[in-house]
Amino acid sequence: QLQLQESGPGLVKPSETLSLTCTVSDGSISGSAYYWGWIRQPPGKGLEWIGSVYYRGNTLYNPSLKSRVTISVDTFNNQFSLRLSSVTAADTAVFYCARLWFRELSWSYFHSWGQGILVTVSS
Amino acid sequence: QSVLTQPPSASGTPGQRVTISCSGSSSNIGSSAVSWYQQLPGTAPKLLMYSNNQRPSGVPDRFSGSKSGTSASLAISGLQSEDEADYYCATWDDSLNGWVFGGGTKLTVL
Repeated sequence: QLQLQESGPGLVKPSETLSLTCTVSDGSISGSAYYWGWIRQPPGKGLEWIGSVYYRGNTLYNPSLKSRVTISVDTFNNQFSLRLSSVTAADTAVFYCARLWFRELSWSYFHSWGQGILVTVSS
Repeated sequence: QSVLTQPPSASGTPGQRVTISCSGSSSNIGSSAVSWYQQLPGTAPKLLMYSNNQRPSGVPDRFSGSKSGTSASLAISGLQSEDEADYYCATWDDSLNGWVFGGGTKLTVL
């Protein structure tokens, strides 16, 4: 059973860069049928897709966050990472990593999710 | 403001049938498959329905999905107390070149 685990600091200062890593176990990150993504959920609010990466490094980003987001993949360590720059209190959220199955982008779904990690932006 | 529109809340009594709607446009639901996610309190979302109407292994057949035009629906029959959760729809959006979620529907079992 594939498992995803988020890791990183739980507290980030305003204007700094949030960095998280998702470690994939019991499965390879190099599968051709999958994108790997980050989704966030502010406290008490809904889900927001942040961006996704393919094992070859191709990326897709939410247009509303694109200028601040970088997602990268490390196939050697079976991990992928998120960097979100210039954070403010509005970026406080639970961040989830997920595996996204796709046949084509219009025929896709978030198949497996990590447990999530709360990141608070505060001085 | 989410790209996909869901009612913020829904409710029903045990045994009832409840339907949750998800409304979009031609650039998302109208041209892509819809998936649904169940988020129990304090937990990560879980895939509940994919490709409009396909249930992953382990999801009871009380749950069903459908899509017509630019709208999709999730139906839960024989409502149970453990179905009390938040439900989200999602799909690919050609205009945004990314995935979009509905705002979520909080289901209460009375």
